[in-house]
Amino acid sequence: QQKVQQSPESLTVSEGAMASLNCTFSDGTSDNFRWYRQHSGKGLEVLVSIFSDGEKEEGRFTAHLNRASLHVSLHIREPQPSDSAVYLCAAMQQGTGSKLSFGKGAKLTVSP
Amino acid sequence: DMKVTQMPRYLIKRMGENVLLECGQDMSHETMYWYRQDPGLGLQLIYISYDVDSNSEGDIPKGYRVSRKKREHFSLILDSAKTNQTSVYFCASSRLGGRSYEQYFGPGTRLTVL
Repeated sequence: QQKVQQSPESLTVSEGAMASLNCTFSDGTSDNFRWYRQHSGKGLEVLVSIFSDGEKEEGRFTAHLNRASLHVSLHIREPQPSDSAVYLCAAMQQGTGSKLSFGKGAKLTVSP
Repeated sequence: DMKVTQMPRYLIKRMGENVLLECGQDMSHETMYWYRQDPGLGLQLIYISYDVDSNSEGDIPKGYRVSRKKREHFSLILDSAKTNQTSVYFCASSRLGGRSYEQYFGPGTRLTVL
C-alpha cells in the first residue's frame, strides 16, 4: 500500500503571503494525485487533481507533480483566513480502481 | 447540486451495541466508499462498493460490514461496537473507473463508543 508523507505538519502564514505544502510518496505506483481541503468539522473538498508531471492550476491553488522525485506540492496564492483548514494529499494507485491513499494532513493557519 | 449526505452526524453508543451509519448520494454514482479518520492517521478506507451488492474490502475492514441495496444508499454496520471504533466516519461517492473522477465526500459522522 502506498505510503504518503506530508510536510510540514502545520504552517502559519500571513494573509496574502504564499503558502506551500508538500507530499512525498513511497513508490511510483500511483498515477494520479489530489489535494483536498477540510475545514474543521466538515467533509473533504477537492482542490486540485493532477495526472501528469508539471503544473495544474485551479484558481488560487496550484499543484506541482514530479513523479521522478515522488513529490507533489500545493501552492496557495494570496491565502485568506477562510483558507485556514487541514490540507490532505492523496494518491490513487494504478490498477486499484478508485482506491486513494491519504496523507495525515497539514494544518494551515492564515492570520489576518 | 451534487451532494453526499450522512446520518446521523453525531452518535454515542455503548460497547457491544450495534451501530448503523447511513450514507446517501444524489448523483447516481456507481462507486461509494466508507472511510474513517483518526487523529494522526489520516483517512483509512474501510469498504468500497462498485454498485448494488458489489462490495469489496478496503484496508481496514475488520469489525465492519456494509450493505448496498440501492445505488444511492450505502450503509456501514458495526456489530457489537468496540471502543477503538470511536472515530469520524466519512462516506464518499464517485463515478466508476475512478482515475479521472472525483470522490465527493459527505460531512462525516462522529461516533463515540463508550
